[in-house]
Amino acid sequence: QQQVKQSPQSLIVQKGGIPIINCAYENTAFDYFPWYQQFPGKGPALLIAIRPDVSEKKEGRFTISFNKSAKQFSLHIMDSQPGDSATYFCAASASNTGNQFYFGTGTSLTVIP
Amino acid sequence: DAGVTQSPTHLIKTRGQQVTLRCSPKSGHDTVSWYQQALGQGPQFIFQYYEEEERQRGNFPDRFSGHQFPNYSSELNVNALLLGDSALYLCASSITGGGGPQHFGDGTRLSIL
Repeated sequence: QQQVKQSPQSLIVQKGGIPIINCAYENTAFDYFPWYQQFPGKGPALLIAIRPDVSEKKEGRFTISFNKSAKQFSLHIMDSQPGDSATYFCAASASNTGNQFYFGTGTSLTVIP
Repeated sequence: DAGVTQSPTHLIKTRGQQVTLRCSPKSGHDTVSWYQQALGQGPQFIFQYYEEEERQRGNFPDRFSGHQFPNYSSELNVNALLLGDSALYLCASSITGGGGPQHFGDGTRLSIL
């Protein structure tokens, strides 16, 4: 059973566009929601993370929107660049169960120059 | 400040063999988690070590075992290797207390022939 459902599987945007990646979860005990970026041959790198007490968080060109009632969260990449082409994973964890991360299935993003 | 380091980077084994993978956590981190990432999939949690003990375990058979040393470094051991064990094995470190970020190494690519 997939604890975190991620969509779309792949995404192609033009340079300067705003790709949006969506994730949904069921476990209301989740209290930490990070996004990771992974390039081929590399491990996942933490991009940005949010906790359920806020509805939005921005760090540079990356924004997380969080909807607690809908149990959904999304990643927006502003002014996307070809260097943003990578696979993006959402994840969720619950601090009362030892911080085990549950990952989505990933979104392959391609930014066309 | 050294990040998470893993060794070896690549490994080729045959079915039935045993393998040991190694991980050194990021400076200041005391908790190590191991994940398996199959091609095109998100990482799947194997287990987590803190204070030299296994604290949490995912849905993996007991062919997968681990160890944490007093300096917080860790090993992942897999016995009786199967073709399906071919994957990228990722180590992530964090500060204990739960609910915080995990920092990943670049993984060990294990291929089973």
